[in-house]
Amino acid sequence: DIQMTQSPSTLSASVGDRVTITCRASQSIGTWLAWYQQKPGKAPDVLIYQASRLQNGVPSRFSGSGSGTEFTLTISSLQPDDFATYYCQHYDTYSGTFGQGTKLEIK
Amino acid sequence: QEQLQESGPGLVKPSETLSLTCTVSGYSIRSGFYWGWIRQSPGKGLEWIGSIYHSGSTEYNPSLKSRVTISVDTSKNQFSLNLSSVTAADTAVYYCARAAAGNWGQGTLVTVSS
Repeated sequence: DIQMTQSPSTLSASVGDRVTITCRASQSIGTWLAWYQQKPGKAPDVLIYQASRLQNGVPSRFSGSGSGTEFTLTISSLQPDDFATYYCQHYDTYSGTFGQGTKLEIK
Repeated sequence: QEQLQESGPGLVKPSETLSLTCTVSGYSIRSGFYWGWIRQSPGKGLEWIGSIYHSGSTEYNPSLKSRVTISVDTSKNQFSLNLSSVTAADTAVYYCARAAAGNWGQGTLVTVSS
């Protein structure tokens, strides 16, 4: 089974900061990776799919990169609405394996 | 863009069967994609349960396969989850979603308790 490992688990940052979250796959997954944002009490929302494609309606300050086993989610300038938990997911046609999540907190 | 909505009991007794239905709007299940169930609990994070295609073809998480059945009703644009012999460890928020990084429903909390 493919395992997904995110780092860090918690990240403290300030409005306006540039932040990066890393996700590593236990074996190569090409670009079959998505990033989700989850706020308390809400379902996760897709931000990025296919490693770097921005979902419709997602602000351009979010970007994704990587392929193979190492991926990053970057937020170029943090906004107050961005403080949430972020998950990476390796997906295929019918299933998905998630990272453990990164909680982005206000410093 | 598809929209999904879960429905079903919020409380299930131990050893009984958890049953949920997901209604899809804005997209016909017959048009393609797999449609699946995911759950989230504090202890285990996000866990894929299984998925179904409109043809009825299913794929299940091996760790839950012996207890899971997912079915589809294309006439109602719905798919359903049955999880048998539940225990407290099955208490979680259950989400339905379009597979391959699609949209999710809002989720429904299911508590297993007598």
